[in-house]
Amino acid sequence: GENVEQHPSTLSVQEGDSAVIKCTYSDSASNYFPWYKQELGKRPQLIIDIRSNVGEKKDQRIAVTLNKTAKHFSLHITETQPEDSAVYFCAGPDTGGFKTIFGAGTRLFVKA
Amino acid sequence: NAGVTQTPKFQVLKTGQSMTLQCAQDMNHNSMYWYRQDPGMGLRLIYYSASEGTTDKGEVPNGYNVSRLNKREFSLRLESAAPSQTSVYFCASSSYHGQGYDYTFGSGTRLTVV
Repeated sequence: GENVEQHPSTLSVQEGDSAVIKCTYSDSASNYFPWYKQELGKRPQLIIDIRSNVGEKKDQRIAVTLNKTAKHFSLHITETQPEDSAVYFCAGPDTGGFKTIFGAGTRLFVKA
Repeated sequence: NAGVTQTPKFQVLKTGQSMTLQCAQDMNHNSMYWYRQDPGMGLRLIYYSASEGTTDKGEVPNGYNVSRLNKREFSLRLESAAPSQTSVYFCASSSYHGQGYDYTFGSGTRLTVV
């Protein structure tokens, strides 16, 4: 099965700066990597994903990159705003089963 | 379109009491899941149901049972609640799109066991 490791566990940035969260995975057969955002007291929600046939995907201020050789993928948030403060989870498919393996989460603080 | 609906939203139990958390989805998803999230922690899988009629243990199944009542509904039962089960419980369902699963989560049940 898959194993997903996420770093850092906590990240504090100044408003307007960029934030990068990195995840590594173990199963080279994995080919889909979503990111979820969980605001305080709310449910996790899918914000962006990347599939193995592309190296980068952007959606306004967020982007995700994938390096299949090194088996890692990253979430990039540019021009951070206070509303970006949340816990972010990376994920990868459990290729041995019917579920997704979540990373441990990164708590992002954006200081105004 | 309600998505994933969980009830109740809040619950306080005494040690040893039992209760059932209800979850229903209206997206025609095959797979459903129960997670717990302790304060400042990640999501830990309790049980999942890959399809109607099947259930499997996740990472932390002890002290819980589940029932996949039909395609829409997946319930979680605590037979004898313990303080260690104080947590926020999330139900989720997923659709498979050929390469992986996109999850939709319910709004959560905040459970306190005293």
